[in-house]
Amino acid sequence: GENVEQHPSTLSVQEGDSAVIKCTYSDSASNYFPWYKQELGKGPQLIIDIRSNVGEKKDQRIAVTLNKTAKHFSLHITETQPEDSAVYFCAASSWGKLQFGAGTQVVVTP
Amino acid sequence: DTGVSQDPRHKITKRGQNVTFRCDPISEHNRLYWYRQTLGQGPEFLTYFQNEAQLEKSRLLSDRFSAERPKGSFSTLEIQRTEQGDSAMYLCASSASQEQETQYFGPGTRLLVL
Repeated sequence: GENVEQHPSTLSVQEGDSAVIKCTYSDSASNYFPWYKQELGKGPQLIIDIRSNVGEKKDQRIAVTLNKTAKHFSLHITETQPEDSAVYFCAASSWGKLQFGAGTQVVVTP
Repeated sequence: DTGVSQDPRHKITKRGQNVTFRCDPISEHNRLYWYRQTLGQGPEFLTYFQNEAQLEKSRLLSDRFSAERPKGSFSTLEIQRTEQGDSAMYLCASSASQEQETQYFGPGTRLLVL
């Protein structure tokens, strides 16, 4: 089955700096890669997703890149703000269940 | 609010008791998923439905767990003879279809087994 690894497990950044989270996956059949943000006591909230026929996608301060050959994808957050502090999860799937990474705790310090 | 809703939000029970959780998906979403999340980990897939049909179950879903979606709308997840290891956040998500596969999550039900 699919296995998703996520790094780093914790990330501390100064407000205004960029944050990068990296994930690798094992199943070449995976074709959909969402990223979720989870705040304490809440369910995961989708922030951006990318499909395997696209190499990069951007939405305001958030961007995701995908390298199918290397089986890795990354989340980039620019101009970080304190409200970006949360746990971020990457995931991979092929037409159904999501396999999640272990998460990255992002702390943005003012 | 037309998002995914779950009830209850919190449940405390004693070991050996049965518990049941409910999930109401986004209206007209025909796929519904259940995940379990323990502290410090990502959600783990348990099972999913397309309309009323349960299409896949994880090996994590022991015979003490059962899920239903009788009319293809809301779903219930029951845990019988709860154990302390069942303590976790139980998350429900829905998606519009196999092709429109973006999954939207509910707030979760946090279970504590004493």
